Amino acid sequence: AQRVTQPEKLLSVFKGAPVELKCNYSYSGSPELFWYVQYSRQRLQLLLRHISRESIKGFTADLNKGETSFHLKKPFAQEEDSAMYYCALSLPDSSYKLIFGSGTRLLVRP
Amino acid sequence: SAVISQKPSRDICQRGTSLTIQCQVDSQVTMMFWYRQQPGQSLTLIATANQGSEATYESGFVIDKFPISRPNLTFSTLTVSNMSPEDSSIYLCSVVLNTGELFFGEGSRLTVL
Repeated sequence: AQRVTQPEKLLSVFKGAPVELKCNYSYSGSPELFWYVQYSRQRLQLLLRHISRESIKGFTADLNKGETSFHLKKPFAQEEDSAMYYCALSLPDSSYKLIFGSGTRLLVRP
Repeated sequence: SAVISQKPSRDICQRGTSLTIQCQVDSQVTMMFWYRQQPGQSLTLIATANQGSEATYESGFVIDKFPISRPNLTFSTLTVSNMSPEDSSIYLCSVVLNTGELFFGEGSRLTVL
């Protein structure tokens, strides 16, 4: 079955430090991968998707099909980046249905 | 963007009762989904709410436990029936706009005693 794994429940870094939130998936085909973010007291929102290949709020993520990974990276963390981050997968022709990882809480300390 | 209103935002219910959660969107919507997030767990898709017809349920979810209605394009309800403490979760409505963008509601936090 398709699965998304985020091995870290909590990632704590100091402001200005690099950040990498890990995401691995299990699917033999070509899925679409997403990162969603939930800031305190806000709704879940899309951060970025692999097909757009863009950088949002300084975050980037590269799909590595060989390693079946889609790690989220930012070279210099900011305190406002503190949030819950979810990696998600959508199968081809699955009509927007998402399979989520368990989430990683990022805490950026001053 | 879209304004997605979920009601109630939270509730505390007694075992054996049922609760209906509403999701209202202010934009034209092509698809609506209901997700569940149990404490400490990931979001899991319950079903796709189909306008004017029965919802399409994912494996492990059944209509008798989670009846869903979608009478029009912008409104849907999810009922959690005969609740037990294991149903304590956050229930989220998700919509896909005509633009293809997907948004989530703020969620309804349900606690069953």
